[in-house]
Amino acid sequence: SQQGEEDPQALSIQEGENATMNCSYKTSINNLQWYRQNSGRGLVHLILIRSNEREKHSGRLRVTLDTSKKSSSLLITASRAADTASYFCATDGSYGKLTFGQGTILTVHP
Amino acid sequence: DVKVTQSSRYLVKRTGEKVFLECVQDMDHENMFWYRQDPGLGLRLIYFSYDVKMKEKGDIPEGYSVSREKKERFSLILESASTNQTSMYLCASSFGAMYQETQYFGPGTRLLVL
Repeated sequence: SQQGEEDPQALSIQEGENATMNCSYKTSINNLQWYRQNSGRGLVHLILIRSNEREKHSGRLRVTLDTSKKSSSLLITASRAADTASYFCATDGSYGKLTFGQGTILTVHP
Repeated sequence: DVKVTQSSRYLVKRTGEKVFLECVQDMDHENMFWYRQDPGLGLRLIYFSYDVKMKEKGDIPEGYSVSREKKERFSLILESASTNQTSMYLCASSFGAMYQETQYFGPGTRLLVL
C-alpha cells in the first residue's frame, strides 16, 4: 500500500535554482524520512524528521512536516547537476518497516 | 560505514528457474528487508525479517520466499521465476529499534526473466 505520495512526479530545473518536492501521507506517523536514489542504484538516506518536529535542516536540505495536513516537503537549495536523482519520502511502521511513495524524479541541468 | 551488499548487479534467468538473491550486511543489524521496484509503482515490500530465522510477509509476498539462517544474511528466493518478476530488487537493513529507523540499502539487483 502506498502511504506517501510525492508531488510532482518529475521536476526539471537549472543549476543554482531551488527544488521543492512534496509528500502527502494518509495515516498518523512517528517519523518521516527522505531518501535519494541515483539512477539504477540503491537508496540513500537523507534526513529523518520526527512527528513532533516542524522543520529540519541538513546542509542544503530543508525538510518541513505538517502533521495536521499529513504532508512534508523537501527543499534542495542552490541545486547542482549532481543532485539529479529520484527522491522518495517514507513513513514508518511496525518492526522498522517503511512505506515509500512513488518518488519525484529531479533533473538539474548544468 | 554500513555496507549492504547484494550478490549480483544484473541477472538473467529463464521462466521456471529457481532464483536466489543474496544480501549481506556488516553492521549487526536486526532487521532486513527485500523490496522490488518497478516504474510507476515505487518500492514495494516483499518480505522482511526482524531476527534470525524470523520472517514476515510484506505487501507482495506471492511467488517469493526468504531465508535468514544467519543474522548478516537474508536471501530472497523465487521458487519458479516468471516474467512478471522481472524487476529491480533492493535489499535493506536497519538497526532494530521500533521507530525512527533509517534503512541502509544495497546497490540493487536488476533481474530479467525470459
